[in-house]
Amino acid sequence: DTEVTQTPKHLVMGMTNKKSLKCEQHMGHRAMYWYKQKAKKPPELMFVYSYEKLSINESVPSRFSPECPNSSLLNLHLHALQPEDSALYLCASSQGAGFGSDTQYFGPGTRLTVL
Amino acid sequence: AQKVTQAQTEISVVEKEDVTLDCVYETRDTTYYLFWYKQPPSGELVFLIRRNSFDEQNEISGRYSWNFQKSTSSFNFTITASQVVDSAVYFCALSEAGGSQGNLIFGKGTKLSVKP
Repeated sequence: DTEVTQTPKHLVMGMTNKKSLKCEQHMGHRAMYWYKQKAKKPPELMFVYSYEKLSINESVPSRFSPECPNSSLLNLHLHALQPEDSALYLCASSQGAGFGSDTQYFGPGTRLTVL
Repeated sequence: AQKVTQAQTEISVVEKEDVTLDCVYETRDTTYYLFWYKQPPSGELVFLIRRNSFDEQNEISGRYSWNFQKSTSSFNFTITASQVVDSAVYFCALSEAGGSQGNLIFGKGTKLSVKP
């Protein structure tokens, strides 16, 4: 089973709202990832958690705040977003710590619209 | 520098035609991994295959086949007898053994439209 789940599927929020995206995997994977994907572009890595610790932050603005409460769960807290943050947010997980040979398995994504 | 090039931005075929999606990569590592992902309109990136740099055997899985050629740094993907359900954006990706965590380098993707 290579299932990664994400909620919600769609989210519309205003620039002053605070919301959270949730990602879950029950495959015992040790690394989890957040990606942002704009239309007609490939996904761009935002954060990597390895063994529940933040290991990579790709210079993401502080209005995006990741959290890994346990090994199965990854959240992305959103606050004071801009319209240009509207995108598909993808979560992924991999069995190993996230290096070269690891295959990343992706969730269905959350389509975020910031008004 | 690492790079993945998918020169075909969009391809349109009629059902039952065969279609090949091209992928050319650049890397200085001797150990690396190549991937193909499918992204249907629903948005989920579906893993299709992983190939490591030491394994040049071609692979076939049903109507899908992959041709890995280190001599030309290519990892092409062929769909035989295409179907409407194959319509999606396909991404080729590269990761290096010596790369940083999560460093999956994607090509820009090829949008495949299969018409009935």
